[in-house]
Amino acid sequence: KAGVTQTPRYLIKTRGQQVTLSCSPISGHRSVSWYQQTPGQGLQFLFEYFSETQRNKGNFPGRFSGRQFSNSRSEMNVSTLELGDSALYLCASSRIGGAQPQHFGDGTRLSIL
Amino acid sequence: KNEVEQSPQNLTAQEGEFITINCSYSVGISALHWLQQHPGGGIVSLFMLSSGKKKHGRLIATINIQEKHSSLHITASHPRDSAVYICAVINSGGSNYKLTFGKGTLLTVNP
Repeated sequence: KAGVTQTPRYLIKTRGQQVTLSCSPISGHRSVSWYQQTPGQGLQFLFEYFSETQRNKGNFPGRFSGRQFSNSRSEMNVSTLELGDSALYLCASSRIGGAQPQHFGDGTRLSIL
Repeated sequence: KNEVEQSPQNLTAQEGEFITINCSYSVGISALHWLQQHPGGGIVSLFMLSSGKKKHGRLIATINIQEKHSSLHITASHPRDSAVYICAVINSGGSNYKLTFGKGTLLTVNP
Protein backbone atom coordinates (compact mmCIF):
# COMPACT_ATOMS: atom_id res chain seq x y z
CA LYS A 1 0.00 0.00 0.00
CA ALA A 2 1.51 3.33 -1.06
CA GLY A 3 2.24 5.85 1.68
CA VAL A 4 1.51 9.54 1.79
CA THR A 5 3.16 11.25 -1.17
CA GLN A 6 4.18 14.90 -1.15
CA THR A 7 5.41 16.82 -4.16
CA PRO A 8 7.71 18.45 -4.78
CA ARG A 9 10.32 17.40 -2.20
CA TYR A 10 12.29 20.62 -2.49
CA LEU A 11 11.33 24.06 -3.68
CA ILE A 12 13.09 27.40 -3.87
CA LYS A 13 11.09 30.59 -4.24
CA THR A 14 11.66 34.30 -3.76
CA ARG A 15 9.81 36.74 -1.53
CA GLY A 16 6.45 37.83 -2.86
CA GLN A 17 5.89 34.75 -4.99
CA GLN A 18 3.26 32.15 -4.29
CA VAL A 19 3.63 28.40 -4.03
CA THR A 20 1.40 25.33 -4.21
CA LEU A 21 2.30 22.08 -2.51
CA SER A 22 0.59 18.77 -3.18
CA CYS A 23 -0.26 15.81 -0.97
CA SER A 24 -1.70 12.44 -2.01
CA PRO A 25 -3.00 10.53 1.01
CA ILE A 26 -3.06 6.80 1.55
CA SER A 27 -5.87 5.16 -0.41
CA GLY A 28 -9.05 5.18 1.65
CA HIS A 29 -7.95 8.03 3.90
CA ARG A 30 -10.34 10.96 3.79
CA SER A 31 -8.57 13.28 6.19
CA VAL A 32 -5.49 15.29 5.25
CA SER A 33 -3.72 17.60 7.69
CA TRP A 34 -0.93 20.04 6.98
CA TYR A 35 1.89 21.09 9.31
CA GLN A 36 4.74 23.58 9.21
CA GLN A 37 8.06 22.71 10.87
CA THR A 38 10.78 25.30 11.52
CA PRO A 39 13.87 25.16 13.76
CA GLY A 40 12.54 28.00 15.90
CA GLN A 41 8.86 27.10 16.30
CA GLY A 42 8.98 23.35 15.82
CA LEU A 43 5.91 21.63 14.43
CA GLN A 44 2.76 23.70 14.06
CA PHE A 45 -0.66 22.63 12.84
CA LEU A 46 -1.91 24.48 9.76
CA PHE A 47 -5.26 22.92 8.88
CA GLU A 48 -7.18 19.71 8.35
CA TYR A 49 -9.41 18.78 5.43
CA PHE A 50 -11.98 16.02 5.48
CA SER A 51 -14.21 15.13 2.54
CA GLU A 52 -13.28 18.35 0.71
CA THR A 53 -14.14 20.60 3.70
CA GLN A 54 -11.77 22.42 6.01
CA ARG A 55 -12.59 20.94 9.38
CA ASN A 56 -10.02 22.55 11.63
CA LYS A 57 -7.53 25.37 11.37
CA GLY A 58 -4.42 26.46 13.26
CA ASN A 59 -3.26 29.97 13.97
CA PHE A 60 -1.76 31.01 10.63
CA PRO A 61 -2.48 34.09 8.50
CA GLY A 62 -4.84 33.97 5.55
CA ARG A 63 -1.88 33.74 3.16
CA PHE A 64 -1.92 30.05 3.98
CA SER A 65 -4.80 28.21 2.37
CA GLY A 66 -5.65 24.77 1.21
CA ARG A 67 -8.17 22.63 -0.53
CA GLN A 68 -9.06 19.00 -0.95
CA PHE A 69 -10.34 17.29 -4.05
CA SER A 70 -12.94 14.55 -4.40
CA ASN A 71 -10.18 11.91 -4.58
CA SER A 72 -8.89 13.19 -1.18
CA ARG A 73 -5.72 14.65 -2.68
CA SER A 74 -4.95 18.00 -1.09
CA GLU A 75 -3.07 21.11 -2.04
CA MET A 76 -1.69 23.85 0.16
CA ASN A 77 -1.07 27.33 -1.16
CA VAL A 78 1.02 30.10 0.36
CA SER A 79 0.74 33.52 -1.24
CA THR A 80 3.04 36.54 -0.95
CA LEU A 81 5.88 34.45 0.41
CA GLU A 82 7.99 35.81 3.25
CA LEU A 83 11.45 34.75 4.39
CA GLY A 84 9.86 33.29 7.53
CA ASP A 85 7.84 30.85 5.45
CA SER A 86 11.00 28.83 4.84
CA ALA A 87 10.18 25.52 6.47
CA LEU A 88 9.48 21.85 6.06
CA TYR A 89 5.80 21.40 5.19
CA LEU A 90 4.38 18.04 6.15
CA CYS A 91 1.07 16.50 5.35
CA ALA A 92 -0.51 13.56 7.10
CA SER A 93 -3.55 11.42 6.38
CA SER A 94 -5.90 9.20 8.33
CA ARG A 95 -9.21 7.46 7.75
CA ILE A 96 -11.40 9.51 10.05
CA GLY A 97 -9.22 12.48 10.92
CA GLY A 98 -9.67 14.55 14.01
CA ALA A 99 -6.81 13.94 16.38
CA GLN A 100 -6.40 10.27 15.50
CA PRO A 101 -2.96 8.81 14.66
CA GLN A 102 -1.86 9.83 11.22
CA HIS A 103 0.49 8.67 8.49
CA PHE A 104 2.96 11.37 7.50
CA GLY A 105 4.55 12.16 4.18
CA ASP A 106 8.26 12.98 3.87
CA GLY A 107 7.52 16.68 3.50
CA THR A 108 8.30 19.49 1.11
CA ARG A 109 11.26 21.64 2.06
CA LEU A 110 10.52 25.21 1.00
CA SER A 111 13.30 27.77 0.92
CA ILE A 112 12.58 31.45 0.38
CA LEU A 113 15.37 33.64 -0.96
CA LYS B 1 6.13 29.15 29.09
CA ASN B 2 5.24 26.70 26.32
CA GLU B 3 2.11 24.63 26.76
CA VAL B 4 4.16 21.48 26.06
CA GLU B 5 7.64 21.04 27.48
CA GLN B 6 9.93 18.15 26.66
CA SER B 7 13.07 17.08 28.48
CA PRO B 8 15.82 16.57 27.85
CA GLN B 9 16.32 18.54 24.63
CA ASN B 10 19.27 16.34 23.69
CA LEU B 11 20.15 12.87 24.88
CA THR B 12 23.16 10.73 24.03
CA ALA B 13 23.21 7.09 25.06
CA GLN B 14 25.23 3.95 24.52
CA GLU B 15 23.67 1.03 22.74
CA GLY B 16 21.71 -1.13 25.17
CA GLU B 17 20.88 1.64 27.63
CA PHE B 18 17.38 2.33 28.94
CA ILE B 19 16.10 5.69 27.67
CA THR B 20 13.44 7.96 29.14
CA ILE B 21 12.05 11.06 27.44
CA ASN B 22 9.63 13.26 29.33
CA CYS B 23 6.73 15.46 28.26
CA SER B 24 4.90 17.87 30.56
CA TYR B 25 1.92 19.97 29.56
CA SER B 26 -0.02 22.76 31.17
CA VAL B 27 -3.46 22.42 29.56
CA GLY B 28 -6.26 19.93 29.93
CA ILE B 29 -5.99 17.33 27.21
CA SER B 30 -8.05 14.57 25.69
CA ALA B 31 -5.06 12.62 24.34
CA LEU B 32 -1.34 12.74 23.73
CA HIS B 33 0.74 11.54 20.78
CA TRP B 34 4.36 10.44 20.64
CA LEU B 35 6.00 10.88 17.24
CA GLN B 36 9.40 9.83 15.88
CA GLN B 37 11.19 11.88 13.24
CA HIS B 38 14.26 10.54 11.47
CA PRO B 39 16.83 12.73 9.70
CA GLY B 40 15.39 13.80 6.36
CA GLY B 41 11.99 14.64 7.83
CA GLY B 42 9.82 11.50 7.80
CA ILE B 43 7.56 11.29 10.88
CA VAL B 44 6.08 8.13 12.31
CA SER B 45 3.26 8.10 14.82
CA LEU B 46 4.36 5.84 17.70
CA PHE B 47 1.55 6.05 20.26
CA MET B 48 -1.68 7.83 21.07
CA LEU B 49 -2.52 7.78 24.78
CA SER B 50 -5.37 9.06 26.87
CA SER B 51 -4.60 7.10 30.02
CA GLY B 52 -2.32 4.44 31.44
CA LYS B 53 0.39 2.76 29.46
CA LYS B 54 1.01 1.34 25.98
CA LYS B 55 3.80 -0.92 24.76
CA HIS B 56 5.03 -1.70 21.28
CA GLY B 57 8.16 -3.77 20.99
CA ARG B 58 10.94 -2.00 22.91
CA LEU B 59 8.91 1.20 23.26
CA ILE B 60 6.71 1.98 26.24
CA ALA B 61 4.62 5.12 26.71
CA THR B 62 2.93 6.16 29.92
CA ILE B 63 0.72 9.05 30.85
CA ASN B 64 -0.42 10.50 34.18
CA ILE B 65 -3.37 12.79 33.50
CA GLN B 66 -3.49 14.19 37.06
CA GLU B 67 0.19 15.17 36.98
CA LYS B 68 -0.02 16.33 33.32
CA HIS B 69 3.00 14.25 32.41
CA SER B 70 3.92 11.55 29.92
CA SER B 71 7.07 9.51 29.43
CA LEU B 72 8.44 7.56 26.49
CA HIS B 73 10.80 4.72 27.41
CA ILE B 74 13.06 2.79 25.08
CA THR B 75 14.48 -0.46 26.41
CA ALA B 76 17.73 -1.95 25.04
CA SER B 77 18.35 1.12 22.86
CA HIS B 78 19.91 0.67 19.43
CA PRO B 79 21.59 3.12 17.02
CA ARG B 80 18.54 2.87 14.74
CA ASP B 81 16.52 4.51 17.55
CA SER B 82 18.48 7.71 16.91
CA ALA B 83 15.85 10.29 15.95
CA VAL B 84 13.90 13.25 17.25
CA TYR B 85 11.02 12.27 19.50
CA ILE B 86 8.11 14.71 19.66
CA CYS B 87 5.10 14.74 21.93
CA ALA B 88 1.88 16.43 20.89
CA VAL B 89 -1.21 17.11 23.00
CA ILE B 90 -4.81 17.37 21.87
CA ASN B 91 -7.00 19.58 24.03
CA SER B 92 -10.39 18.61 22.73
CA GLY B 93 -12.12 15.66 21.16
CA GLY B 94 -14.03 15.71 17.92
CA SER B 95 -13.18 17.79 14.89
CA ASN B 96 -12.65 21.14 16.64
CA TYR B 97 -9.43 20.25 18.43
CA LYS B 98 -6.21 22.09 19.14
CA LEU B 99 -2.98 20.22 18.52
CA THR B 100 0.15 21.54 20.25
CA PHE B 101 3.62 20.07 19.81
CA GLY B 102 6.66 19.96 22.03
CA LYS B 103 9.99 21.10 20.58
CA GLY B 104 11.31 17.54 20.46
CA THR B 105 14.10 15.51 22.04
CA LEU B 106 17.09 14.62 19.87
CA LEU B 107 18.23 11.11 20.79
CA THR B 108 21.58 9.79 19.63
CA VAL B 109 22.42 6.18 20.41
CA ASN B 110 26.07 5.30 19.88
CA PRO B 111 27.19 1.74 19.07
